[in-house]
Amino acid sequence: NAGVMQNPRHLVRRRGQEARLRCSPMKGHSHVYWYRQLPEEGLKFMVYLQKENIIDESGMPKERFSAEFPKEGPSILRIQQVVRGDSAAYFCASSPNVGTSGSEQYFGPGTRLTVT
Amino acid sequence: GQQLNQSPQSMFIQEGEDVSMNCTSSSIFNTWLWYKQDPGEGPVLLIALYKAGELTSNGRLTAQFGITRKDSFLNISASIPSDVGIYFCAGFNAGNNRKLIWGLGTSLAVNP
Repeated sequence: NAGVMQNPRHLVRRRGQEARLRCSPMKGHSHVYWYRQLPEEGLKFMVYLQKENIIDESGMPKERFSAEFPKEGPSILRIQQVVRGDSAAYFCASSPNVGTSGSEQYFGPGTRLTVT
Repeated sequence: GQQLNQSPQSMFIQEGEDVSMNCTSSSIFNTWLWYKQDPGEGPVLLIALYKAGELTSNGRLTAQFGITRKDSFLNISASIPSDVGIYFCAGFNAGNNRKLIWGLGTSLAVNP
């Protein structure tokens, strides 16, 4: 059973460009979470999605950031018109659907975004 | 947003020593999770605790779910160099929109 996959692992964008980060959850998981982490800091929750639905986006900046999890294909975190302050590691996690193990989140290796 | 109080913030120990870290909260949780993050990687789930008072081991790691449901600790026995990394605790309540509440991490350095 493959783990959570994220690509690309490293992404360099110039200021003003768009960044697209992809996440494929573990097989059988339909809950996806995106986090942001700055160097030497903890994980900051951004958004929680189920297939075709955004459940909680309370951690997402109101502008330039969007996320989707379509019926087919990976979840996408999209950052438009990137600025230097968007440089960070972005992690995706997925969790099982039911039961007590539904609280367990399994993380991908992350995408390190550098804005030049 | 809400955060857990995780301590210590960092530890520097000698190989072979035991390590203890803990997390406390002002709220109760139904589940406590402990993760380890290696440099440049995503967090890896180490131990999940589902019941107050539960004590669970995973190799040299032992974690406990506090009786009050407001705290948890993680012990590492006989540390080795590959234990180096950042350890995070996280709490979960089903009513919190499935969001985990995270501690800020304990950074562990092991001197061989």
